[in-house]
Amino acid sequence: KAGVTQTPRYLIKTRGQQVTLSCSPISGHRSVSWYQQTPGQGLQFLFEYFSETQRNKGNFPGRFSGRQFSNSRSEMNVSTLELGDSALYLCASSLGLDSTYEQYFGPGTRLTVT
Amino acid sequence: AQSVTQLGSHVSVSEGALVLLRCNYSSSVPPYLFWYVQYPNQGLQLLLKYTSAATLVKGINDFEAEFKKSETSFHLTKPSAHMSDAAEYFCAVSDFSVGGTSYGKLTFGQGTILTVHP
Repeated sequence: KAGVTQTPRYLIKTRGQQVTLSCSPISGHRSVSWYQQTPGQGLQFLFEYFSETQRNKGNFPGRFSGRQFSNSRSEMNVSTLELGDSALYLCASSLGLDSTYEQYFGPGTRLTVT
Repeated sequence: AQSVTQLGSHVSVSEGALVLLRCNYSSSVPPYLFWYVQYPNQGLQLLLKYTSAATLVKGINDFEAEFKKSETSFHLTKPSAHMSDAAEYFCAVSDFSVGGTSYGKLTFGQGTILTVHP
């Protein structure tokens, strides 16, 4: 079974631009969670989607948004990029039926904002 | 809200030595706990999870962890370190609340970088 895939793997953007990252979950998984990883703040939860609905959201500004499609693929968008948005963005998929189900992570998208 | 503290940002061991990575959690309800490993330029790989079925949990690559409620700990161990174990390790707790469910959120510790020297 194929793992979680994320595209693109690397991205360089300029401050003020917007960016869209994509995540394809493991086949059969309906939950996709997104995390931001930085050296200073560590791993922080952005949001989670299940069956095209956002069920949970972390403490990030409204510039960070996401969506999920009927095939469970998910995208996250960051508008008006800031230098501090430079990070590794990880998505994780899960069966999502309850909190006991483990999450499987993709390789991440490395975003650099200049 | 749940939280996780990993004691020691860096741990160094000799090849063949015992690996012990410490994790303490804070939770007002029985937690679900996980250990993940991250190799450079990669995502996180699940090592093992605790979901109240058994206090001693065995994972991949001979790692195991013991849930101790009295100590609010979930330390990760491996009897004999290999060079390939060098990586960053994260302890995480699943976020949920009594009377409801907060889905899809893992709260991570700050990570412990394991170095294995010959």
